[in-house]
Amino acid sequence: GAVVSQHPSRVICKSGTSVKIECRSLDFQATTMFWYRQFPKQSLMLMATSNEGSKATYEQGVEKDKFLINHASLTLSTLTVTSAHPEDSSFYICSASESGLNTGELFFGEGSRLTVL
Amino acid sequence: AQSVTQLGSHVSVSEGALVLLRCNYSSSVPPYLFWYVQYPNQGLQLLLKYTTGATLVKGINGFEAEFKKSETSFHLTKPSAHMSDAAEYFCAVSEGVHKYIFGTGTRLKVLA
Repeated sequence: GAVVSQHPSRVICKSGTSVKIECRSLDFQATTMFWYRQFPKQSLMLMATSNEGSKATYEQGVEKDKFLINHASLTLSTLTVTSAHPEDSSFYICSASESGLNTGELFFGEGSRLTVL
Repeated sequence: AQSVTQLGSHVSVSEGALVLLRCNYSSSVPPYLFWYVQYPNQGLQLLLKYTTGATLVKGINGFEAEFKKSETSFHLTKPSAHMSDAAEYFCAVSEGVHKYIFGTGTRLKVLA
C-alpha cells in the first residue's frame, strides 16, 4: 500500500526557534497533502491543505505566518513552525492522497511530536 | 456542513466480547466513510472504508462496519475483542474531495 513518511518523529526545541517537519510520499505522487494537529487525547484538527506548486490553504484560525507550508514537489511537503512557543507543542500528522485517484482515501504519516521548552 | 459524532469517548470490553464503536455523521452528499485506528504516538492506520457499493464493509483485524443511510450511521464492530485491539479509534467522513472531518475518537480498553 501507499506509504507516507514523516521526519522527525520527535523533536524538542527551545522557545523562539523554528522547526521543520517533512512529509514524504514514498511510493506515489501526491498533488495534495494535508497537515493536522492533535492535542493529547483529542481528535485530529485539519490545519491546512498543501497543494504542489501553489500556496497552501489554511483552515480558519490557523496562523499562516506561524505555520509555513511548502509543497515543492509531488512527494514532499514541509511544515515549518516558526518562533515556536510551548503552546505549539503537539502531535502533527500529515496525510496525502494519490494523484489521479479519486477513492477518497488518505494515507497518513506516523506523526511528529513537537515539544517546545 | 459535514460532521461526525462518536458516542462514547471511552469503551471497555472484556477479551472475547463484542466490540461496538458508534459513529454517526451528517453530510449533504453521499459520503465516503472511514474508520482509523491509532496506537500511542503513532499515525493513523486505515481499518476500513465505505465509498460506494456494498454497505457492509469488512476491514483488517476482523473489524467490519455497516453503512446505514437511513440512520446516518457507520458503526464499527468486531465479534471478539483481542487485547491488541486496545487503541484509539477515529471515524471520519469525506465528501469525496479528500478533506476529512474526524470524530472525537473512542478509546477502546480490553479487559483480561
